[in-house]
Amino acid sequence: AQSVTQLDSHVSVSEGTPVLLRCNYSSSYSPSLFWYVQHPNKGLQLLLKYTSAATLVKGINGFEAEFKKSETSFHLTKPSAHMSDAAEYFCVVSGSNFGNEKLTFGTGTRLTIIP
Amino acid sequence: DTEVTQTPKHLVMGMTNKKSLKCEQHMGHRAMYWYKQKAKKPPELMFVYSYEKLSINESVPSRFSPECPNSSLLNLHLHALQPEDSALYLCASSQDRWGRTQGKTQYFGPGTRLLVL
Repeated sequence: AQSVTQLDSHVSVSEGTPVLLRCNYSSSYSPSLFWYVQHPNKGLQLLLKYTSAATLVKGINGFEAEFKKSETSFHLTKPSAHMSDAAEYFCVVSGSNFGNEKLTFGTGTRLTIIP
Repeated sequence: DTEVTQTPKHLVMGMTNKKSLKCEQHMGHRAMYWYKQKAKKPPELMFVYSYEKLSINESVPSRFSPECPNSSLLNLHLHALQPEDSALYLCASSQDRWGRTQGKTQYFGPGTRLLVL
């Protein structure tokens, strides 16, 4: 069994300040973890993916995430927010060891950027 | 190319209509997925196809009928829908190693926004 908890439903930051979106997971297997972004009325775009090669994962648009097994966390960060970062962000875990497993989505964090 | 395309972008249908949603990918992926997403919620899995065969059906009502005519195309046939079926319908695809998709990235299309009147 696996689950994902996004600790904040809504985060607001000023343009140019750091972004932190928090995610905790649980999984019975060695998980693969993803962050997806969804802009209004759009599909989901992959930001980054962790699959055990390196604990610090760099993604697109300046985002990165660090896998911390001891804390079962996979928080998403960006040093300086841009207006175009305003969107919904989903933390996702994939963890079964066989078959066509299902992704488990967090409930999402809405990021608002203040000009 | 990591593009998944979906048509139409928007669809309005009555409860007695029959319509179809289409999804296409040319990444050589052999797993394809349909998701339903209600406003302010994460996507919910509906169906998974693996090598053109239905692999997972998440107890979706029979008024939704998926079809995978070939490895690049995925359809969702709609009939006698209810207003509560109004949502964004997302298609995705991923690599599939003989039925194993663990850890494989799912690439999503832009979705079809469906309104049932």
